[in-house]
Amino acid sequence: DAGITQSPRYKITETGRQVTLMCHQTWSHSYMFWYRQDLGHGLRLIYYSAAADITDKGEVPDGYVVSRSKTENFPLTLESATRSQTSVYFCASSEGTGVSYGYTFGSGTRLTVV
Amino acid sequence: GNSVTQMEGPVTLSEEAFLTINCTYTATGYPSLFWYVQYPGEGLQLLLKATKADDKGSNKGFEATYRKETTSFHLEKGSVQVSDSAVYFCAFHSGTYKYIFGTGTRLKVLA
Repeated sequence: DAGITQSPRYKITETGRQVTLMCHQTWSHSYMFWYRQDLGHGLRLIYYSAAADITDKGEVPDGYVVSRSKTENFPLTLESATRSQTSVYFCASSEGTGVSYGYTFGSGTRLTVV
Repeated sequence: GNSVTQMEGPVTLSEEAFLTINCTYTATGYPSLFWYVQYPGEGLQLLLKATKADDKGSNKGFEATYRKETTSFHLEKGSVQVSDSAVYFCAFHSGTYKYIFGTGTRLKVLA
């Protein structure tokens, strides 16, 4: 089906473990984004990508790594998970960066670090 | 710096009541303004947008008018339904890749 899908939907991991959250979109949108959603903070940008092999940091990149070898995939890796990374993570994509473009969001991954 | 301020929730209303969720922004220039809605267990969905001053965005009975003089973009609906229960996010886009989101306002509509 067309759209943007995230996996897993829920994940529990232990402190210090590496975990990867997957994001896949079927529109061939150039731009993709990772946000985390925390109570009282709204959405904060972790990383974004303008095209395959082009990524850049957002507001809160520390402890995260991204890659974009293919346009449709944009995985987010927590290299050594910490409890402060317990959050809901959203992937989004966009056709462009002009002022009229909206984002399309995935359904999110709820990550708990114990 | 750039920011969005939304009224704190939760906002609890009875069905068919009038809804206003306030949003003001601080930005350089004249950004495009957006409202997103997040239903339980789902990602954010674009609800409506306005790209220049005095524009009115509308969708699903919701409206918001871009007021440059008051730097506001308040969300309104004349008669809410239980199915409107969700979290609503105000955001702006200033011409770069990046959105600035508010912290969200939870709406609960009671039957």
